Amino acid sequence: EDQVTQSPEALRLQEGESSSLNCSYTVSGLRGLFWYRQDPGKGPEFLFTLYSAGEEKEKERLKATLTKKESFLHITAPKPEDSATYLCAVLHQGSKGYALNFGKGTSLLVTP
Amino acid sequence: GAGVSQTPSNKVTEKGKYVELRCDPISGHTALYWYRQSLGQGPEFLIYFQGTGAADDSGLPNDRFFAVRPEGSVSTLKIQRTERGDSAVYLCASLTPGLAALSSYEQYFGPGTRLTVT
Repeated sequence: EDQVTQSPEALRLQEGESSSLNCSYTVSGLRGLFWYRQDPGKGPEFLFTLYSAGEEKEKERLKATLTKKESFLHITAPKPEDSATYLCAVLHQGSKGYALNFGKGTSLLVTP
Repeated sequence: GAGVSQTPSNKVTEKGKYVELRCDPISGHTALYWYRQSLGQGPEFLIYFQGTGAADDSGLPNDRFFAVRPEGSVSTLKIQRTERGDSAVYLCASLTPGLAALSSYEQYFGPGTRLTVT
């Protein structure tokens, strides 16, 4: 069964203090690893998709990387508006189609 | 542009009652997903529609849960004989066209319906 584990559960950073969030996964045949951002009271917002080890994608202060066993979401010089829960998910192929299998998320708080 | 919408945004019901939650996907999205998210957890897959048919309902926890999408657009998640453990945020997501090309596999989520069973 596909497993997605995110760490840490919560992270508090000072504005400008760079860090990384981890997503480790066990899946038979990775078909895609996804990062989402979720603000309180809202649905997840798509950030990145990664498909193969060594792949990297960037968006503003965020950079996602992928290895054969884990993915990292690097946050460079974060700002308070980056505060949110970051969710990682793997694409799971069921008997009749695809669905996302999510981790529990990392709750990020960036203080001024 | 219009995103995925869900109604109601909040629903409080008594244990044992029947509830319906509605999802309006993005126009033209053929695939629609329902997820359930409990506090401090990631979304948990419930059911997936491709067009009008339920392509995969393996995530529905039991037979009290049912979903329909009669015209291939709006979907309704129905919960019978609600229990306190059903309290959660129910999320709907629709998918950009071109599922066959995984590079376009981006699910757009609605804001969710917060269900509270008292």
